[in-house]
This record gives sequence, C-alpha cells and structure tokens, in this order.
Amino acid sequence: GAVVSQHPSWVICKSGTSVKIECRSLDFQATTMFWYRQFPKQSLMLMATSNEGSKATYEQGVEKDKFLINHASLTLSTLTVTSAHPEDSSFYICSARDQQGAKYFGPGTRLTVT
Amino acid sequence: AQSVTQLGSHVSVSEGALVLLRCNYSSSVPPYLFWYVQYPNQGLQLLLKYTSAATLVKGINGFEAEFKKSETSFHLTKPSAHMSDAAEYFCAVSEGLGAGGTSYGKLTFGQGTILTVHP
Repeated sequence: GAVVSQHPSWVICKSGTSVKIECRSLDFQATTMFWYRQFPKQSLMLMATSNEGSKATYEQGVEKDKFLINHASLTLSTLTVTSAHPEDSSFYICSARDQQGAKYFGPGTRLTVT
Repeated sequence: AQSVTQLGSHVSVSEGALVLLRCNYSSSVPPYLFWYVQYPNQGLQLLLKYTSAATLVKGINGFEAEFKKSETSFHLTKPSAHMSDAAEYFCAVSEGLGAGGTSYGKLTFGQGTILTVHP
C-alpha cells in the first residue's frame, strides 16, 4: 500500500533554533499534503494544507511565519518550526492525498524543545 | 510494529440505520486504539479511545466501539445514523504512552472510511 514517511521521527532542539520536518510520499504523487499537530491526549489539530507549487493554506490561529510549509514537489512537503519554544513541543503528523482522494498518514515526528 | 486495516473505503447507509465501520489492528504490545472523525475541511476530531480499561468504549455523538483482543478488532458502531454523521472516519493504534506519559505516542492510522448517509 501507499506509504508516507516523515523525517526525523524524533528531534530535540534548543529554544530559539529552527527545525525542519520532512514528509514524503514514497510510491505515489501527492498534490495535497496536510500537517497536523497533536496536543497531549487530544485530537489532531489541522495546521495547514499544502498544495504542490502553491502557498499553503493555514488554519485559523496557526502562525504562518512560525510554521513554514513548503511543498516543492509532488512527493515532498516540509514543515519548518522557526524560533522554536518549549510550547512548540508536540507530535507533528503529515498526511498525503493521492490522486484518487485517499489519505495516507505519516508516522509522525516528535519535537521536543528544551 | 503496528498496523491498522479499515475494511471498506466507502460505507453508505440510510438515515436511521445501523452504522458499522470495521477496523482491525496488529500490535506487538497491548495497544491503545482510537477512532477519529474528519468532517469536510476540518481537522481530525477524536471520537473515542480504548486505553486498556473497559472493552466497550462510548464516545461522542452516540458512537461506540468494542475492543476484541481475540479478533484484533475495534469496530465502530452507532445504532442509528444521522445525516450529520457523514464524514471520513479513521482508526488508529498506538503502542502506548509517549515520552513523559503525556501523549499517546506514535499513532498509526488506517486509510479511512468515508461514511455517506442517505435520507
């Protein structure tokens, strides 16, 4: 079946630094990818929708300048957390939609900001 | 390793009929299991979760799911479908608490089931 990978799976960074998370669709082309954030013991919050070759659409309350999303190719989207702070520590999950509309989720990336 | 299989990418029911969405999982350790719902243009919302307490779990909007270890299943049901239940539903498994016990750790999702409710 279709596979979506995320890299890294776990990252620890210092406050004030930036971290890039990659989301790749390994065996299909994804014109649309989604980025979610999981809060402790809560639902996944949709942060943004990214379409290949165009600007991402951010959900209300999500800081565009803090969470930079780039979808440069049909198989890769990146989320960069800029000037990370401890409150940004979370579990970030991406999903990719194939041309038939099916969604496949990545395994997630755990970000810890110290 | 853990995995989730949702049987049926599309399920269609009549309003008032029983809703049954199937989910089977595999996990090397006792799992935590979840059902999420996604309405159009929205994020994933947690419907219910199983975390090793009661095997019959009740969630929001009248949904419930039963954990059956012998069948490695966690099917989602609702006795009477409502038009507002039309959405995409995702089953997910986690192999336990994440670092610090503050989250459910790595989630593995099924591919989703789109529920259509007819008048």
